Amino acid sequence: SQTIHQWPATLVQPVGSPLSLECTVEGTSNPNLYWYRQAAGRGLQLLFYSVGIGQISSEVPQNLSASRPQDRQFILSSKKLLLSDSGFYLCAWSEGYRGLNYGYTFGSGTRLTVV
Amino acid sequence: KQEVTQIPAALSVPEGENLVLNCSFTDSAIYNLQWFRQDPGKGLTSLLLIQSSQREQTSGRLNASLDKSSGRSTLYIAASQPGDSATYLCAVRSGSNNNDMRFGAGTRLTVKP
Repeated sequence: SQTIHQWPATLVQPVGSPLSLECTVEGTSNPNLYWYRQAAGRGLQLLFYSVGIGQISSEVPQNLSASRPQDRQFILSSKKLLLSDSGFYLCAWSEGYRGLNYGYTFGSGTRLTVV
Repeated sequence: KQEVTQIPAALSVPEGENLVLNCSFTDSAIYNLQWFRQDPGKGLTSLLLIQSSQREQTSGRLNASLDKSSGRSTLYIAASQPGDSATYLCAVRSGSNNNDMRFGAGTRLTVKP
């Protein structure tokens, strides 16, 4: 069966420090991968998605970047964190080449607090 | 552009009550609709996935219906329990791009013992 792992679960970082959040998927090949942010009291905002190694699409201009160095690994990064980067970050995957009839599966999330 | 609305934003019911959560979407050309549950500080757990060709899906005490033509879905929870307390999100997948999943803002459900 497929599983998705996301870490760390919580992170407190000072303003200006770098960030690296990692997400890995097991039990599937060539998944579509997604990074979402959920601000307090707000809905889910899609940040990045990837349909293959090295292929990254950005949804909104921001201080963050994403990379996909391996088929089932998705990394969210920042060189210098801002206070506004605080939030709950969620990784998700869906079937890639099988098409659009499959749903999304989410990781357990990372609570990032920038101080 | 697809927009997804969930009503009510919050709901509080006594234990044992049957309840309905509503989800509406503006564009009926969808591939599927998915209901999620989110506990505080946790990720989203998929509850039910309804394909565009289906009318409903059931899992235990949960039943989700889909009326694509009217742009509506309902999540029915039978015999609610305090453990059902969570935020329930509806998401609609439409369009041929891989980023065409739209989420509602969610309904926060509280089931009181």
